[in-house]
Amino acid sequence: NAGVTQTPKFQVLKTGQSMTLQCAQDMNHEYMSWYRQDPGMGLRLIHYSVGAGITDQGEVPNGYNVSRSTTEDFPLRLLSAAPSQTSVYFCASRQPNTGELFFGEGSRLTVL
Amino acid sequence: AQSVTQPDIHITVSEGASLELRCNYSYGATPYLFWYVQSPGQGLQLLLKYFSGDTLVQGIKGFEAEFKRSQSSFNLRKPSVHWSDAAEYFCAVAANQAGTALIFGKGTTLSVSS
Repeated sequence: NAGVTQTPKFQVLKTGQSMTLQCAQDMNHEYMSWYRQDPGMGLRLIHYSVGAGITDQGEVPNGYNVSRSTTEDFPLRLLSAAPSQTSVYFCASRQPNTGELFFGEGSRLTVL
Repeated sequence: AQSVTQPDIHITVSEGASLELRCNYSYGATPYLFWYVQSPGQGLQLLLKYFSGDTLVQGIKGFEAEFKRSQSSFNLRKPSVHWSDAAEYFCAVAANQAGTALIFGKGTTLSVSS
């Protein structure tokens, strides 16, 4: 039972480069979200989606794009990476009946 | 908009001692409240949640939490802490059970001394 799978686990970028963090879930959850975790800041919501074709901004959306073409996948795109985007990124999907979030193992991104 | 405050950044307790982690929320209506735990290098795992009903909720690993509307609090407790409980704990609030973003507090790091 895979749950929520994130790739890559580690990535180093140079300022200005672009990349996509992949997130896939096999639980048929409609709701998916992306968070970033920084020391002393907890988890901050970047973007979320309540179903295929529907996305919305969270607390810190600037510099990030998302799309939701299928229920399973919710990629996060950095169009022009900046050092301030150095962080650990978590993808999560939500079980609708209980409200519980299921998290991936995280993707550690370093922007030089 | 909802928000969550965890006043304690770091707490150290002795193994076998009791534990209480504080959480205060800000939200106009009845919130949906959660506690998650994160072990080093791992994702987050749900400990317990409150939606409605009994204000004292039981979770996994012997944890419980009490919802106090008058104090806007949802404190996490454990009667006897084990060394394996050392981790970071996050309180979170949502405006409803599904369809709205979950907002997290900044977390409390728990250390357990022997």
